[in-house]
Parts: sequence; structure tokens; C-alpha cells
Amino acid sequence: GAGVSQSPSNKVTEKGKDVELRCDPISGHTALYWYRQSLGQGLEFLIYFQGNSAPDKSGLPSDRFSAERTGGSVSTLTIQRTQQEDSAVYLCASSLGGVSSPLHFGNGTRLTVT
Amino acid sequence: KQEVTQIPAALSVPEGENLVLNCSFTDSAIYNLQWFRQDPGKGLTSLLLIQSSQREQTSGRLNASLDKSSGRSTLYIAASQPGDSATYLCAVRPTQGGSEKLVFGKGTKLTVNP
Repeated sequence: GAGVSQSPSNKVTEKGKDVELRCDPISGHTALYWYRQSLGQGLEFLIYFQGNSAPDKSGLPSDRFSAERTGGSVSTLTIQRTQQEDSAVYLCASSLGGVSSPLHFGNGTRLTVT
Repeated sequence: KQEVTQIPAALSVPEGENLVLNCSFTDSAIYNLQWFRQDPGKGLTSLLLIQSSQREQTSGRLNASLDKSSGRSTLYIAASQPGDSATYLCAVRPTQGGSEKLVFGKGTKLTVNP
């Protein structure tokens, strides 16, 4: 079946603009994660959705970052007033939920803020 | 605070060689450990997931071991091939502080030379 799909694959934006990144998880996966991978750094947790529960937003680096998940499926990560330090690869993952389930990642969105 | 370390950061081997990648973590309170590979410009592909109660998992030429008490995992690749060239990441799922926040190492970049 189809894996995790992310769009766009690449995004170049000017400093100060808003951007939206989209993630379409594997069908039937109730858990959805957003991570950020910066050059030379490990993956950094951003936000987690599980079913209809309130999301865990504890990893969002500032209030310019927000995310939503509509209908328990597609998720959008929004970055307002982008800064150069936001440049990174944004990775989405999904799983069946539960601590024993492996994560399956999409190919990511490479964001460049000029 | 959980920290995951992968040594070496880069490894170059000739085709056909057996090799071991290392992953260490500071806190043994984990549900499981997952190994991924990442090809340039791509997302993460799940290779193996070892639950905390398990000692090892095998898939084809890959074998991953886990020694939770000593905070170590190894990924053994048999008869390496040029197609194995990628960055290999390990991640632990902690039992405390939010089990959804996987903690990743920075990876080992493997090059298999023909």
C-alpha cells in the first residue's frame, strides 16, 4: 500500500512569509508525528497526534509553529513569519499507535528560508 | 535526559565485508529501539524494531541486538553491498517524559565501495 506522503518535497520561501507543509499518513494509522531534521543535527520531535486526543505540542519551538490534523487523517504543519533558522527538513511519520508500533516516515519537505 | 550516541559517525568498507554499527543510550527505561536507514534526500526507512524484552531481531542480512541494561544496540550487516550505502539511525522510545518523543542518534554514514 501507499506510504506516508508529504508535500511539497521542496519549498523555498522568503523570510517573513508563512508556509504550510502537508502530510498524508498511511491509511488506518491513528498516530501521526512531525519531526525536524536540521543539518548536522539529530531528528527533533515537534508534535504528536493520536486519534481524537489532544495533540502533544511540547516540541514546537515557538508560537510561530502550529499543526492540525483534520478528520484523523491529513495533517498540516504551518510556520508563520518564517526565519532563516527554520530551514530544515520536516519529516512526518505515522504508526498504528501504541508504544510497540514502528514509525513509518515520509520523504520529508526540505524548507529553505532565504 | 535520554541521549543517543552513534559511533562512528562515518564508515567506509569494501563490498562483501561484514560490519557492525553501534548505538548507545543513557537511560535504560525504554519501550523499544528502532533502526532506520536514510538515503540522501529521502525520509527514513524502518529496518528493525526491537522491543525492550527482546534480545535481537533479524531481517535478511541485517541483525540487530539490544542490551538494555548496558544501554547498547548493534546493527550487524552481513556481506555488505554498495546498495547498503546510506545513513543508519537508531532511535529509542522512552517510557518516561512522553513515549511518543523518540530520541534519535545523529547516525552513521556508511559507504560500501565496489
